[in-house]
Amino acid sequence: AQSVTQLGSHVSVSEGALVLLRCNYSSSVPPYLFWYVQYPNQGLQLLLKYTTGATLVKGINGFEAEFKKSETSFHLTKPSAHMSDAAEYFCAANFGNEKLTFGTGTRLTIIP
Amino acid sequence: DAGVIQSPRHEVTEMGQEVTLRCKPISGHNSLFWYRQTMMRGLELLIYFNNNVPIDDSGMPEDRFSAKMPNASFSTLKIQPSEPRDSAVYFCASGRIRGDEQFFGPGTRLTVL
Repeated sequence: AQSVTQLGSHVSVSEGALVLLRCNYSSSVPPYLFWYVQYPNQGLQLLLKYTTGATLVKGINGFEAEFKKSETSFHLTKPSAHMSDAAEYFCAANFGNEKLTFGTGTRLTIIP
Repeated sequence: DAGVIQSPRHEVTEMGQEVTLRCKPISGHNSLFWYRQTMMRGLELLIYFNNNVPIDDSGMPEDRFSAKMPNASFSTLKIQPSEPRDSAVYFCASGRIRGDEQFFGPGTRLTVL
């Protein structure tokens, strides 16, 4: 079955440290992939997306993600965490129809 | 563009009452999605429309839930009668191109007492 898995429901990093949020998908055909961020009491906002072309995708707020077909992964990274990055992050995939399949989310906490 | 607009932003009602949530998608978008988010179940797709036609309502939990999209600029999600377990944040999202990103509204926080 086609699915999206996010490893780690909670991740804590120190301010200024590397942020790494993991996402893997299950599908025989590479999907379109997305990372969304949700701040408290707000809707989901697109951080970045991969459809075709360059496998390293840059998004807003200094985030980037790399699509690795061999690993069926689309991990999200940011070189230096900022307090304002504290939020919940969702990985999502489109497997060829109108729907997005979302992961269960990762809550990112930044330690001062 | 104003983005996806949802109303009301907060709704508190008593069990058994009818609740109607409203959504105005981004102009020009062909697809509209209704989601529900809870701590226990995360983000769930309830139903989605393409060109105002319901395509997949398999996520609608019960017959108490219904959704309509009478035109390209308006959709409603109705719960009748409401129950405490319906308490959640309900999001509407719209999309422009099949397979492309979805744009989310701010959500409606529903509390059923």
